[in-house]
Amino acid sequence: SAVISQKPSRDICQRGTSLTIQCQVDSQVTMMFWYRQQPGQSLTLIATANQGSEATYESGFVIDKFPISRPNLTFSTLTVSNMSPEDSSIYLCSVEDRLEGTGANVLTFGAGSRLTVL
Amino acid sequence: QKEVEQDPGPLSVPEGAIVSLNCTYSNSAFQYFMWYRQYSRKGPELLMYTYSSGNKEDGRFTAQVDKSSKYISLFIRDSQPSDSATYLCAMIDTGGFKTIFGAGTRLFVKA
Repeated sequence: SAVISQKPSRDICQRGTSLTIQCQVDSQVTMMFWYRQQPGQSLTLIATANQGSEATYESGFVIDKFPISRPNLTFSTLTVSNMSPEDSSIYLCSVEDRLEGTGANVLTFGAGSRLTVL
Repeated sequence: QKEVEQDPGPLSVPEGAIVSLNCTYSNSAFQYFMWYRQYSRKGPELLMYTYSSGNKEDGRFTAQVDKSSKYISLFIRDSQPSDSATYLCAMIDTGGFKTIFGAGTRLFVKA
């Protein structure tokens, strides 16, 4: 399965600032996914990033708040803009692999970026 | 109502205990059922998956699906301190490729 590197691993940010998270995959992939993991809540998909096209955002997430870049098949960035304490969370990058002999996809995740907004 | 419900715990057990982790769901279209394990400061990784109803065993781990009750379980036998992690259930329906996760249960196995 793919190996995913994410950075920063953690950061403390001031309210109103923006932070960009980078995700590097060791193989070429069509789609990359960005998730948010808040304490006590389900892992939530923010958006799907395809190379060469606009990212597709899930309900409740907008491009102005979470702009995404996907310049090539191994790299993506997620920016958390104009941060507030409610944005304090773990942000995870992932890619999918098809489970052999099935119709389902398995997700491989990076280690995550833990953001604390003061 | 959430599509997938999972008790966040924490669950604390002594070493050697049998652990039972559970999820309930509401969408009858779910066909693939997975368990991911997440260690502290790491991303989730796939532990086991099952298709439709039934049991699947892998070493000390058994995954069980009861579609009639919309209930899935993960059993860990002879639990070890190295099993201490957050366990997330996840489900995929037949039509799409979107994975729906539970909130995760934090497990602590005490030596």
